[in-house]
Amino acid sequence: DARVTQTPRDKVTEMGQEVTMRCQPILGHNTVFWYRQTMMQGLELLAYFRNRAPLDDSGMPKDRFSAEMPDATLATLKIQPSEPRDSAVYFCASGGDRGYGNEQFFGPGTRLTVL
Amino acid sequence: AQSVTQLGSHVSVSEGALVLLRCNYSSSVPPYLFWYVQYPNQGLQLLLKYTSAATLVKGINGFEAEFKKSETSFHLTKPSAHMSDAAEYFCAVSSGGGADGLTFGKGTHLIIQP
Repeated sequence: DARVTQTPRDKVTEMGQEVTMRCQPILGHNTVFWYRQTMMQGLELLAYFRNRAPLDDSGMPKDRFSAEMPDATLATLKIQPSEPRDSAVYFCASGGDRGYGNEQFFGPGTRLTVL
Repeated sequence: AQSVTQLGSHVSVSEGALVLLRCNYSSSVPPYLFWYVQYPNQGLQLLLKYTSAATLVKGINGFEAEFKKSETSFHLTKPSAHMSDAAEYFCAVSSGGGADGLTFGKGTHLIIQP
C-alpha cells in the first residue's frame, strides 16, 4: 500500500533552534507539496516541486524557511531559526502531473511545537 | 486568484440523517474541485473530485457532490449519516487540476449525534 511518509511525527523544540522535517513521496510521483495547518489560518500551501525543481514557494516565509528535494525520494522543509508562531502541523503531499484531476496523497503530518 | 468558502465551521446531524456540507468557490479559470476528509491526528484523504466531466460526482463512503457553475457551489452530501463520518471536511480548489497547489476552505467539523 503506497503512502507518503513523514518524519518526525512530533517535534518539540525551543525558539531559535533549527527544525528539519522530511518527506518520502510515493514512488513514481513527480510532484511534492508542503502545506501548513493551523487553527487560525487553516491549510496553507507553502511550496511545491515538480521533478525536484521548485515551482512555487510564494507561501513560504523566505527569511527562515527553506525547502529542497535532494533526490526523488526525499523532500525536506527546514526552519532556521524557529519561532513560536511556526507551531503547526506540516503536511507533505505527493501527486503526478499527467492529465487533470490529479489526486494529492497526503502524509500523516509533522506536529511542530516551538516553545 | 481563487478561494473557497465553507459555510458553517461545525455541522451537527443525527445518525441516519442527511449530511449537507456547503462549499462555494471563486476562480478566474474553470476550476477543479475536491473534497477531503481528515480524521483526528491523520492526514487528508480524498473523498471525491470534480474535473469538468459529470457535474454530479460520486465518491467514497457514500458521499457525493454536485458542481453548479451558476451558483459557484460544490456542496457535499450523504443521504444517511453514520457515526464513522464524524471528522473534519475540507473543500479545495485548483486551477491546474490538482497538479498545482490546492487552495483550501477553513473546514467543517461534522458531528454525528447518536
